[in-house]
Amino acid sequence: DADVTQTPRNRITKTGKRIMLECSQTKGHDRMYWYRQDPGLGLRLIYYSFDVKDINKGEISDGYSVSRQAQAKFSLSLESAIPNQTALYFCATSDWRTGGNEQYFGPGTRLTVT
Amino acid sequence: AQKITQTQPGMFVQEKEAVTLDCTYDTSDQSYGLFWYKQPSSGEMIFLIYQGSYDEQNATEGRYSLNFQKARKSANLVISASQLGDSAMYFCAMREISSNTGKLIFGQGTTLQVKP
Repeated sequence: DADVTQTPRNRITKTGKRIMLECSQTKGHDRMYWYRQDPGLGLRLIYYSFDVKDINKGEISDGYSVSRQAQAKFSLSLESAIPNQTALYFCATSDWRTGGNEQYFGPGTRLTVT
Repeated sequence: AQKITQTQPGMFVQEKEAVTLDCTYDTSDQSYGLFWYKQPSSGEMIFLIYQGSYDEQNATEGRYSLNFQKARKSANLVISASQLGDSAMYFCAMREISSNTGKLIFGQGTTLQVKP
């Protein structure tokens, strides 16, 4: 089983709808991240969380909110989806406590807003 | 502000040959880490290699090596003996250790195509 899972993997929604993307990890890592990837651009950070009580905005947080329901779960919400939020969304984890350098990425969620 | 630049939107390489993917970075931090990720057409992000700013040796992982030139602020990825399965998008990324956030800053990516 994958260590970092994302649901759904693909989603098509309409403008104005609320949508939630979910991320779960079995790695026991403390830090979790949400990134967005647009064509021709690298990944950009939306939100990140150090633990369930510590959530921080990234560089492109407008229009998004997050919830860290447990150490293993980090959800991203689009309160009112708009077409320019069409993108590939990645969740990632890292283990800061052990000094780990690598970020482990989920498989991605491809979101289309029509 | 920290920034990663990958100036090669696309690259071609013949199978079994070596290829270098360029990456330059900009940071005022003394302590940072540099990463390379591979993204095949299926979309997942696969970690390839890591180099710390204080590491004296260039990092190597199998056929991947990182040509780290600190004074020039470059961290080029070298893939030796290219294989057809190496065809993918490659991203260079940086983490500033002093910021304590762990967040990665990515370049725009380079698409590599390996020709048979």
